[in-house]
Amino acid sequence: ETGVTQTPRHLVMGMTNKKSLKCEQHLGHNAMYWYKQSAKKPLELMFVYSLEERVENNSVPSRFSPECPNSSHLFLHLHTLQPEDSALYLCASSQEVAGGYTGELFFGEGSRLTVL
Amino acid sequence: AQSVTQLDSHVSVSEGTPVLLRCNYSSSYSPSLFWYVQHPNKGLQLLLKYTSAATLVKGINGFEAEFKKSETSFHLTKPSAHMSDAAEYFCVLNQAGTALIFGKGTTLSVSS
Repeated sequence: ETGVTQTPRHLVMGMTNKKSLKCEQHLGHNAMYWYKQSAKKPLELMFVYSLEERVENNSVPSRFSPECPNSSHLFLHLHTLQPEDSALYLCASSQEVAGGYTGELFFGEGSRLTVL
Repeated sequence: AQSVTQLDSHVSVSEGTPVLLRCNYSSSYSPSLFWYVQHPNKGLQLLLKYTSAATLVKGINGFEAEFKKSETSFHLTKPSAHMSDAAEYFCVLNQAGTALIFGKGTTLSVSS
């Protein structure tokens, strides 16, 4: 496989469920990201991991919990979500350098989440 | 404050006609700017990037963009639209390497 792979592609869950989104990158990159994409809104950065350490957490509610066990895998654990959390969740990776973001992200195809 | 404004939420063109997607930016730093494309049910893909080298940047699939500092613009163009160009396009500002600021997107429709 090549690129960035996200599973599942579609997920429907109730507000009391616990589920996880998975992302795997095959590009040898050192940084991974979770973005939330809602209709008619700009992409929202949720979390950034660089060299497996979380370097950014943009005031995301605690019902979203990221995990990065190694540089190739990223998870987003979901618990007691709200209907307004329904969105497309995009994973991305990049090869970052000293001095910050290069801006060159490689995205997966996303996980479409519906919360009932 | 750093910001990106995509001036059109929706652009419609006919196949074979030119494409113009407009993006203005505001930045206190020398910006890096990008255009990404998102086809239906797909992730975003980098089209092209400007990082203070040549002001006219060529990307994939025949797209190009020109950085105009005096106009604080980074418009995306293509001489001749193809049906496969129908997608959502995002202008992105790299804020001094500390954050990426995404525009709200422009939906490009191409009719035959």
